[in-house]
Amino acid sequence: EVQLLESGGGLVQPGGSLRLSCAASGFTFTNYAMSWVRQAPGKGLEWISGIGGRGDGPYYTDSVKGRFTISKDRSESTLYLQMNSLRVEDTAVYYCAKGSTGYYPYYLDYWGQGTLVTVSS
Amino acid sequence: EIVLTQSPGTLSLSPGERATLSCRASQSVSSSNLAWYQQKPGQAPRLLIYGASSRATDIPDRFSGSGSGTDFTLTISRLEPEDFAVYYCLQYVNSRTFGPGTKVEIK
Repeated sequence: EVQLLESGGGLVQPGGSLRLSCAASGFTFTNYAMSWVRQAPGKGLEWISGIGGRGDGPYYTDSVKGRFTISKDRSESTLYLQMNSLRVEDTAVYYCAKGSTGYYPYYLDYWGQGTLVTVSS
Repeated sequence: EIVLTQSPGTLSLSPGERATLSCRASQSVSSSNLAWYQQKPGQAPRLLIYGASSRATDIPDRFSGSGSGTDFTLTISRLEPEDFAVYYCLQYVNSRTFGPGTKVEIK
């Protein structure tokens, strides 16, 4: 059974940093791409970053490029999102999602339950 | 960037009725690289349809997807009480972008 468990969310001041983790199990982590998707309160889904099965890419949406870094620890089967220079508009639930394959194009077939990041002074 | 538009924004229907949701892309989504997701309040999205028309694992056959190019449709043949939720389309041919969602609410 595929399981994705996010952690690391919380309250941070504007300009601060946070690192999200996503512990994956139930599949061969290196064979699949992974993504982070966020959802601001009361809003829709926004794909923000993805990385290929063996770490190729990574890719970012323009609003987080240069501030966020996605990475995979293959030995720990864990996906990370390092978030720097956080802004109020980064406030959202952040979901980790598994890709359908290890390479592009891929859709997102399994999702974690999400972790809430609140950026506020 | 491919922009997705979903219509209607809200669909008010009764259990047992048919729901037809539309997703339109700003440019062609080649190889039908389009998926549909269902999201209920407080829950993560759930994959319903991929490749425009293939049902994901354990998805009931009352859910069906169709379309190609720039116009795609999700149809729920007979709404069950658990189907009232928000539905999103996702294109994955050029990076990944979601549509704004369609809320299916009880009339």
